[in-house]
Amino acid sequence: DADVTQTPRNRITKTGKRIMLECSQTKGHDRMYWYRQDPGLGLRLIYYSFDVKDINKGEISDGYSVSRQAQAKFSLSLESAIPNQTALYFCATSDDGLDGNQPQHFGDGTRLSIL
Amino acid sequence: AQKITQTQPGMFVQEKEAVTLDCTYDTSDPSYGLFWYKQPSSGEMIFLIYQGSYDQQNATEGRYSLNFQKARKSANLVISASQLGDSAMYFCAMREGWAGNMLTFGGGTRLMVKP
Repeated sequence: DADVTQTPRNRITKTGKRIMLECSQTKGHDRMYWYRQDPGLGLRLIYYSFDVKDINKGEISDGYSVSRQAQAKFSLSLESAIPNQTALYFCATSDDGLDGNQPQHFGDGTRLSIL
Repeated sequence: AQKITQTQPGMFVQEKEAVTLDCTYDTSDPSYGLFWYKQPSSGEMIFLIYQGSYDQQNATEGRYSLNFQKARKSANLVISASQLGDSAMYFCAMREGWAGNMLTFGGGTRLMVKP
């Protein structure tokens, strides 16, 4: 089983719909992240959470919200989806090592298309 | 200004040859880390190698090595003995300071290995 699981893997929906992308992890990490990747581009950070009570905005948080339901679960919501939110979405986790060399471990991504 | 720059949108390499993928970065923080990730056509993000700003030696992981030139602010990935399975997108990413392992990604380089 994957350590970081994203559901759904693919989703097609219409403009104005509310969408929730879910992420769960079995790695026991405190830190979780949501990124989006647009075609031909690198990843951009949407939101991140260092523990259950900690939520922070990333570079491109407008139009998104998140919920950290438990250490293992971090969900991303699009309250009213718009076509330019069509992208590949990644959830990631990392350990909170003091030396900063902890890599982020990614889920397999959710491909979201908004018509 | 771009914090991570990957100037090679696409590259070809002959199977079994070595290839260097360029990455330059921009930060004023003396403490930072550089990560390389591989993204195959299936879409997942795979961690390859890490270099810390205070590391005395260049990082190596199997066929991957990092040519870290601190004064030039470059952290090029070297893949030795290329294999067909190395064909993928490669992303360079930077963590600045000790701020929670948040990463800034470059735009990526698509590597294509020719048989």
